[in-house]
Amino acid sequence: DQQVKQNSPSLSVQEGRISILNCDYTNSMFDYFLWYKKYPAEGPTFLISISSIKDKNEDGRFTVFLNKSAKHLSLHIVPSQPGDSAVYFCAASRGGKLIFGQGTELSVKP
Amino acid sequence: SQTIHQWPATLVQPVGSPLSLECTVEGTSNPNLYWYRQAAGRGLQLLFYSVGIGQISSEVPQNLSASRPQDRQFILSSKKLLLSDSGFYLCAWSETRTGGQPQHFGDGTRLSIL
Repeated sequence: DQQVKQNSPSLSVQEGRISILNCDYTNSMFDYFLWYKKYPAEGPTFLISISSIKDKNEDGRFTVFLNKSAKHLSLHIVPSQPGDSAVYFCAASRGGKLIFGQGTELSVKP
Repeated sequence: SQTIHQWPATLVQPVGSPLSLECTVEGTSNPNLYWYRQAAGRGLQLLFYSVGIGQISSEVPQNLSASRPQDRQFILSSKKLLLSDSGFYLCAWSETRTGGQPQHFGDGTRLSIL
């Protein structure tokens, strides 16, 4: 039973355009949601998080949107840069434990 | 600033051999510590977490064990490795276990069992 799902294994975007990464969850008890970025042969790096009581959080080029009624969150990257090419994981938190999605590989083409 | 170290970066072990992976954190005290495994094409699965010295919680039944002999040291072990233990193992730390605190990851160990 996968509580956090990223249904798109890959996404390709042109440099300068918007990247939208999606994540769905099933457990309404999650209190925080986080996004991580991972390069090959490295550990994930924390990007941005959002509390379950909010619907939007913004940090520079990264914005996370939360739709609790749909149990859906998304990460927007604007504008996308080639250096953003990586695997992105969403994670849901309950009691400090994180449950991760399978990841989406983003490729930003020049 | 805080840093986390994991070693070795890669490891090839025969089936039935023992395992010891080590993780240390610098620049913080009493961190929460975690071991994750990422199987090919899958997300990260939490294996163990620790909120203090000698305190280990296991999330999934498995062939592995964890120990925390010192405040900032976390060790993942096995007495006899199985083929299914292959994967990418990641250690992480956080300030507390309350929600919203991000976990910070090491660079991982790629474990291949032959």
